[in-house]
Amino acid sequence: DSGVTQTPKHLITATGQRVTLRCSPRSGDLSVYWYQQSLDQGLQFLIQYYNGEERAKGNILERFSAQQFPDLHSELNLSSLELGDSALYFCASSDVGATNYGYTFGSGTRLTVV
Amino acid sequence: GQNIDQPTEMTATEGAIVQINCTYQTSGFNGLFWYQQHAGEAPTFLSYNVLDGLEEKGRFSSFLSRSKGYSYLLLKELQMKDSASYLCAVRPRSGNSGYSTLTFGKGTMLLVSP
Repeated sequence: DSGVTQTPKHLITATGQRVTLRCSPRSGDLSVYWYQQSLDQGLQFLIQYYNGEERAKGNILERFSAQQFPDLHSELNLSSLELGDSALYFCASSDVGATNYGYTFGSGTRLTVV
Repeated sequence: GQNIDQPTEMTATEGAIVQINCTYQTSGFNGLFWYQQHAGEAPTFLSYNVLDGLEEKGRFSSFLSRSKGYSYLLLKELQMKDSASYLCAVRPRSGNSGYSTLTFGKGTMLLVSP
């Protein structure tokens, strides 16, 4: 157990639907990062939050949004889902500066859009 | 931005030594990380280099040359359980150490055979 908790582990939904992925960071970590991993693209950075505020944005679609709550857990909302959104979605957390260990990853949510 | 290149696949034999190379181009540099990822699982931290040279940790070693934009991960005494994807990730220099975002390469799939 890495200390980063992601739910659900698996999600199957239809095109056009909306889903919410949840992440609780490791205790003491203020930064949360969301990554998408598909077979051909590798780990793609989506968005970062630090202590409740958005700090960096990567290749995140407008259909996707995220937030970090006062208790530091984060949610990634994916809407108007398309077949191409099927992927593993990882949440990671780090302390300030992501020191010498970079990120700690959660076990991921496997999203299948049918 | 960052550009990271690593071989797509490598094969090796149990008990052997394998070197996985990573080259990168980045507008700023503040560390290079290696992660191991078994299929369908979360990436786990292996090593971190920020200064030139070799970092050794048991059967795993990582080398960095900042002037060449080059790193390698060396795995010794290969075991079947080392079959996994190995991800090279670069952290750019950030004005505020709390806001660093790792950019990952697509990973090198290593297959260890008996």
